Amino acid sequence: EAEVAQSPRYKITEKSQAVAFWCDPISGHATLYWYRQILGQGPELLVQFQDESVVDDSQLPKDRFSAERLKGVDSTLKIQPAELGDSAMYLCASSLAVAGEQFFGPGTRLTVL
Amino acid sequence: GQNIDQPTEMTATEGAIVQINCTYQTSGFNGLFWYQQHAGEAPTFLSYNVLDGLEEKGRFSSFLSRSKGYSYLLLKELQMKDSASYLCAVTFTGGGNKLTFGTGTQLKVEL
Repeated sequence: EAEVAQSPRYKITEKSQAVAFWCDPISGHATLYWYRQILGQGPELLVQFQDESVVDDSQLPKDRFSAERLKGVDSTLKIQPAELGDSAMYLCASSLAVAGEQFFGPGTRLTVL
Repeated sequence: GQNIDQPTEMTATEGAIVQINCTYQTSGFNGLFWYQQHAGEAPTFLSYNVLDGLEEKGRFSSFLSRSKGYSYLLLKELQMKDSASYLCAVTFTGGGNKLTFGTGTQLKVEL
């Protein structure tokens, strides 16, 4: 069964360092989402791509976060510099179309010390 | 805002039935999803409602009332493995399929 892949699964870093997360969506899924989930809360959308284009990054802290999906397939989310409040689970999801069921990857759990 | 409200915690007994409620802002409503999330894992899809009524899928059912801004997830014949967080998520028109999640309901199934 096709799945969304993410790496790394866990990342521990010190504040002010740079971190990067990678996501490979289900093959053929044009829409890709990055969500952040703080412990005890629901996921919150950071950025949404349609193919290689950003369609919603209104909740992305652009002073420190960046995301790209250069070839419209896999995607990278970067944080530079990391802050203590960035500790969370970063979830990637994909869907076949803009109005479709979203399938989530296993997530990357980030701890900033 | 687009608040999605659901209880924080619930406890139920193995073999019983539990209903988890979710309320949301009706303005611009498009569709409602329920996801299950075990601790430390990704959310997994349970159900999708866009029209009023009950959708049944095995032990799980989901109900929607668009006019009342209300949904519930019904879990029957509870099993210990059903202990998890249940997330209610809504898409709104103009939101490009962005899911707006509630905080999740942590369900604990006891013997």
